[in-house]
Amino acid sequence: GDSVTQMEGPVTLSEEAFLTINCTYTATGYPSLFWYVQYPGEGLQLLLKATKADDKGSNKGFEATYRKETTSFHLEKGSVQVSDSAVYFCALSDPGSASKIIFGSGTRLSIRP
Amino acid sequence: DTAVSQTPKYLVTQMGNDKSIKCEQNLGHDTMYWYKQDSKKFLKIMFSYNNKELIINETVPNRFSPKSPDKAHLNLHINSLELGDSAVYFCASSQTVNSNQPQHFGDGTRLSIL
Repeated sequence: GDSVTQMEGPVTLSEEAFLTINCTYTATGYPSLFWYVQYPGEGLQLLLKATKADDKGSNKGFEATYRKETTSFHLEKGSVQVSDSAVYFCALSDPGSASKIIFGSGTRLSIRP
Repeated sequence: DTAVSQTPKYLVTQMGNDKSIKCEQNLGHDTMYWYKQDSKKFLKIMFSYNNKELIINETVPNRFSPKSPDKAHLNLHINSLELGDSAVYFCASSQTVNSNQPQHFGDGTRLSIL
């Protein structure tokens, strides 16, 4: 079945550091890929998405590129801020799955001032 | 205005009780979902409704019964609560069932079973 694997956390970085959170997926079809972010005490919010191979999703300085050849969707940001501290979830939705989203296990990110 | 709102935010109750969580979305979306997030933050879908019809029903004990009176509401009733039901339950909605549609989440209901 479909699955998402993302790097385990927690990840701790200093402010202005470069961020990469790795995500790889397994799917039978051609899924849409998402990154969601969860701030403490809140629900998940969509950060960015890509719906086909080679698409790049971007938002708030974060980027991720849909790589079909490596089945990956790594999240990157060039210079993180303290306000980026949150849990990040990689996710996929397969066209044959009636919009069911499969989430990765989440990566907790902490940014030091 | 809150897009997806669920009540209550916190629910503390005894084992064996029956409880309900309510969810409403004002986005005009056709599809709604319930997810369970465990203590390790792992998030798993439980149910999905599209225009009041059940379309996803994962392997969930039949003590859990969703009800959708209209497409803006999806409630979750839980009978005979058990310790393992302690978790955060999230409601979400999306415009359609298309897989490229993002989902909008509520702030969660933290359920604690004593």
